[in-house]
Order: sequence, then structure tokens, then C-alpha cells
Amino acid sequence: DAGVIQSPRHEVTEMGQEVTLRCKPISGHNSLFWYRQTMMRGLELLIYFNNNVPIDDSGMPEDRFSAKMPNASFSTLKIQPSEPRDSAVYFCASSLGSSYNEQFFGPGTRLTVL
Amino acid sequence: AQTVTQSQPEMSVQEAETVTLSCTYDTSESDYYLFWYKQPPSRQMILVIRQEAYKQQNATENRFSVNFQKAAKSFSLKISDSQLGDAAMYFCAYTGDNAGNMLTFGGGTRLMVKP
Repeated sequence: DAGVIQSPRHEVTEMGQEVTLRCKPISGHNSLFWYRQTMMRGLELLIYFNNNVPIDDSGMPEDRFSAKMPNASFSTLKIQPSEPRDSAVYFCASSLGSSYNEQFFGPGTRLTVL
Repeated sequence: AQTVTQSQPEMSVQEAETVTLSCTYDTSESDYYLFWYKQPPSRQMILVIRQEAYKQQNATENRFSVNFQKAAKSFSLKISDSQLGDAAMYFCAYTGDNAGNMLTFGGGTRLMVKP
């Protein structure tokens, strides 16, 4: 299995531009998570999907952030418009069902907003 | 809300020695799960070990073991026979049975291994 796939690995954009991050979870996994990692705030859960349905988006910082999961094999996290404070590493993770099961993380997307 | 605290921002250990990383958490739930994840310079998050709260026996995975003290809400990670490849950020994480397997992470501990 290829693991969780994220694209792009690196993204540099200018303030005000739209940014779309992509994630392909491990086949068969029914839970998908988006995290953001910064030096100041550590690892924060942004949103969590179960069976393609958003379950908890309380971590989404602002209306500028939106996430979709149109099918079991694809999810996007969009920032529009982007701001310098959005610069971070964004991780996607997937897992099978229960709380005990391991979350498998993708390699992350390093986003820099100038 | 649950919180996870790692009080040691940085630790160092001599190769082949043993090191213990601390983690405490706060919860009112009775059923929950605890994890240690490793993040090497490659950025990839890798599960090291996990513990079910209802199990009294401490989890072990080769050179990695935990000291789970439920009453004290403490979950420390012991790395024996440290190797250079163990150098990484280590994150303690919590999820409750009612949390829908959402993880709450601690702030991390950077482990350096000296040759």
C-alpha cells in the first residue's frame, strides 16, 4: 500500500491567493483527519471525516478554511484567501474506525504564504 | 476538554543508554487510549506504541515501553538501548472513547541521541 498520499509536498504562494491541499487516504480506511502543525501551536486537528461526512470541524480556524471529501478516496483542504499566518505544515491522516486504531499520516504539505 | 502536557521540550541521551519521556493528561473519561508518535526530520508521523486505559499491563514494543499510571494520569515512554535513529520529536496523544478517534496531541519532546 502506498500509504496516505498528499499533494503538493511544498506550496509557496502569495497572500490573498487560493490554496488547495489534496489528500488520498489509505484504501479501506473510513476516517480522515486534517491537522496543522506550527511551532507556536503544535499539532492541531482541523477537521475530521467519517465515511466521507464531516463529523467535527471545530478546529477549522476561520471561514477562509474549508474541507471536502467527495468520495472515500479523496479529500481537499482549501484556504481562500490565504494569509501569512496560515504558513504551516498540513497533515492528512486516515484510520479504520475505532479509537484504538492507528492513524496513518501522510508526509505533509509545507505551506508558505508570503 | 482533554489536554495533554509534555513538560520536557528537549531531552538528550547517550547512545545505548535509556531515556524516559514524560506525558500527563487530563480527562474525565473512563475509557480512552494513549499513543506515542515519533516525528523524525523527514516529518513523517510514525506510531511508536499505544495503550488502552482499561489494560493495567504496560505496553511494550521492542525497545519501547510505557509506564502508564492511570490514577496519576501519567503516560511516560521509556526508550532502552537508544540508537541514533531514535532522534526525533516525540508526541504523546490522547483519544477518548467518545472522541470519535480524534487525537489530542501534547506539545512534543525533541530527543537528541549523542554518539
